[in-house]
Amino acid sequence: DAGVIQSPRHEVTEMGQEVTLRCKPISGHDYLFWYRQTMMRGLELLIYFNNNVPIDDSGMPEDRFSAKMPNASFSTLKIQPSEPRDSAVYFCASSFQGKRTEAFFGQGTRLTVV
Amino acid sequence: KQEVTQIPAALSVPEGENLVLNCSFTDSAIYNLQWFRQDPGKGLTSLLLIQSSQREQTSGRLNASLDKSSGRSTLYIAASQPGDSATYLCAVSVKAAGNKLTFGGGTRVLVKP
Repeated sequence: DAGVIQSPRHEVTEMGQEVTLRCKPISGHDYLFWYRQTMMRGLELLIYFNNNVPIDDSGMPEDRFSAKMPNASFSTLKIQPSEPRDSAVYFCASSFQGKRTEAFFGQGTRLTVV
Repeated sequence: KQEVTQIPAALSVPEGENLVLNCSFTDSAIYNLQWFRQDPGKGLTSLLLIQSSQREQTSGRLNASLDKSSGRSTLYIAASQPGDSATYLCAVSVKAAGNKLTFGGGTRVLVKP
């Protein structure tokens, strides 16, 4: 398997624009997580899905953020409208519910909102 | 609420010295503890996973121990090399919370040649 795949790797957008981040989890994994990493706050969980169903979105900072998982192989994180304080690296991770439940991360999307 | 702390935040050692990285967590009811490596501008690479029933895991020069009762884990890297320079993050999961990970702030390691 190619691992968790995120796109784009880098995104620069103007304030007020809509941004969509994409993630393809590892095949067979039943959990998908979206994290955000900043210098000030470190790695924070935004939302996670189990079998394509959102379980906990308490980490989503504002209503401007939304996430979907239409099927087991694809998820999106959307920010609308984007603001400069949304600038961060966004990571997607997936895992399989089992004895080990090791989480595997994508390479991240570096978002810059100007 | 689970809190994970990593001390020190940064560490510099000469090549060949053993590295000792510390991680502490406030809620001992964890499911797994995972150590990651992150290179600048890159994603997270899983190094070791310790299940709650285990006390340690080893992979090559890496050894991680877990003491659930005291809320601590230690990552040992033997005979450090310049290529070990990176940020090391520990994270704990709670089964009841869907195995979501709570991360520490990381320890930035520099191994000097």
